[in-house]
Amino acid sequence: EPEVTQTPSHQVTQMGQEVILRCVPISNHLYFYWYRQILGQKVEFLVSFYNNEISEKSEIFDDQFSVERPDGSNFTLKIRSTKLEDSAMYFCASSEDRKNTEAFFGQGTRLTVV
Amino acid sequence: AQSVTQPDIHITVSEGASLELRCNYSYGATPYLFWYVQSPGQGLQLLLKYFSGDTLVQGIKGFEAEFKRSQSSFNLRKPSVHWSDAAEYFCAVGARGSYIPTFGRGTSLIVHP
Repeated sequence: EPEVTQTPSHQVTQMGQEVILRCVPISNHLYFYWYRQILGQKVEFLVSFYNNEISEKSEIFDDQFSVERPDGSNFTLKIRSTKLEDSAMYFCASSEDRKNTEAFFGQGTRLTVV
Repeated sequence: AQSVTQPDIHITVSEGASLELRCNYSYGATPYLFWYVQSPGQGLQLLLKYFSGDTLVQGIKGFEAEFKRSQSSFNLRKPSVHWSDAAEYFCAVGARGSYIPTFGRGTSLIVHP
């Protein structure tokens, strides 16, 4: 069964450093998403991406965040200068279509900023 | 904007007992509704979804949920819980025309043998 894969599963970084979280969406999917879940809190939407551009983003997704689809398979989330409060589980998801289809989620990358 | 409330942070049941996890949503029209499960170390797996039609939705792993418009609820049920059902359960609502699910805080299910 096709699945969304994320690497690494766990990333530890020092405050102020840049991190790139990687995702390989399901191959025929067109919409891509990043969500995050701070420990003990709800899963929050960050950004959606379609046709090589951001289609929607939340207020969490500020200038320190960026997304990119550098090639035909990867979808990345970059955090330019990490803060302690960026520590969270980051989930990538993809869907075939925007409407009437489910999003498939990856296993997540746990980011720990120290 | 839509929102979801899962009033129970933790639920403890005995194996073999029935289960109901509560979910209430806020949205001005008929929403898309989802239940996801997250097992330890795993990603979010879709259990079931409601888009339209029959308000009683069957999902994987023996779960079902019922959309009740009058109560703005989408409670998840299972008649007999197995130890492997212990996980975090998330209800989510998606707005019509913009599938971006908004998640609830989650309910942690603990299953006693």
